[in-house]
Amino acid sequence: QSVLTQPPSASGTPGQTITISCSGSTSNIGSKTVNWYQQVPGMAPRLLMSSNSQRPSGVPDRFSGSKSGTSASLAISGLQSEDEADYYCATWDVSLDGWVFGGGTKLTVL
Amino acid sequence: EVQLLESGGGLVQPGGSLRLSCGASGLSFSNSGMNWVRQAPGKGLEWVSGIRSVDGTTYYADSVRGRFTISRDSSKNTLYLQMIRLRDDDTAVYYCAKSGLLNWGQGTLLTVSS
Repeated sequence: QSVLTQPPSASGTPGQTITISCSGSTSNIGSKTVNWYQQVPGMAPRLLMSSNSQRPSGVPDRFSGSKSGTSASLAISGLQSEDEADYYCATWDVSLDGWVFGGGTKLTVL
Repeated sequence: EVQLLESGGGLVQPGGSLRLSCGASGLSFSNSGMNWVRQAPGKGLEWVSGIRSVDGTTYYADSVRGRFTISRDSSKNTLYLQMIRLRDDDTAVYYCAKSGLLNWGQGTLLTVSS
C-alpha cells in the first residue's frame, strides 16, 4: 500500500491529452513539492518534473505538472507512442521523515 | 553532468550481508544529500535511506531500519549502503539518487535467495 495514490493504469490514443493524478495528505503533498518520473521497463527512472511543475532540460513541453492542496497531476498532451511507460509521483513526508512514492501508473498508448 | 554509478550487487543468502557503493561525479558530492531507492521485481519504487550533507543526519524506511546503514566518503565521492540480516523481500534493483531525487544512477541488482 503506497502512501501516495495513483491510478494503476491510464490509456490514450496518439495526439490525445491524458492526466495522471497523485493523491496524498497534509504531511506530504500538502506541505512539500512533488516530483514525477517516467520509467521504461528495464531502465532507471527519469525525472520528468520537479517542484510540482518544473521541467528539467530535455523534457518536452508536452509534459506539464500541477499541484493543488493534497493532490498533484501530470498532464501529457499530444500523446506519442514513445510515452508508453510507467509514471510515478514522489514527495517528502514530514511525518514519516522520508520520501514516499505513488504506486505507479502504467500508460498505454493505443 | 551528474553521473551516479552503483556497484556491489549480487546473490546473497538470507541472513547474509552486503555493501553497495555509488560513485558520483559531476556534482559537489560533499555538499549533496544522497539517497538509496529500490525497486523489487515487477513492483514500484521504494525509498530506502537518505543522508544529509549538512550534518550527516541519516534517515531510513521502517522496512530497513536497524538492518541497513547509509554512509558516505567525501574523499572518494562515494555513497555506501551496508546491509545485514538480508531477507528475501530485500531483492530489488537498488538505485542511488542525489538530493531531491533529481538524478539517478542505473541501479545494481541484489538478489537474496538460498
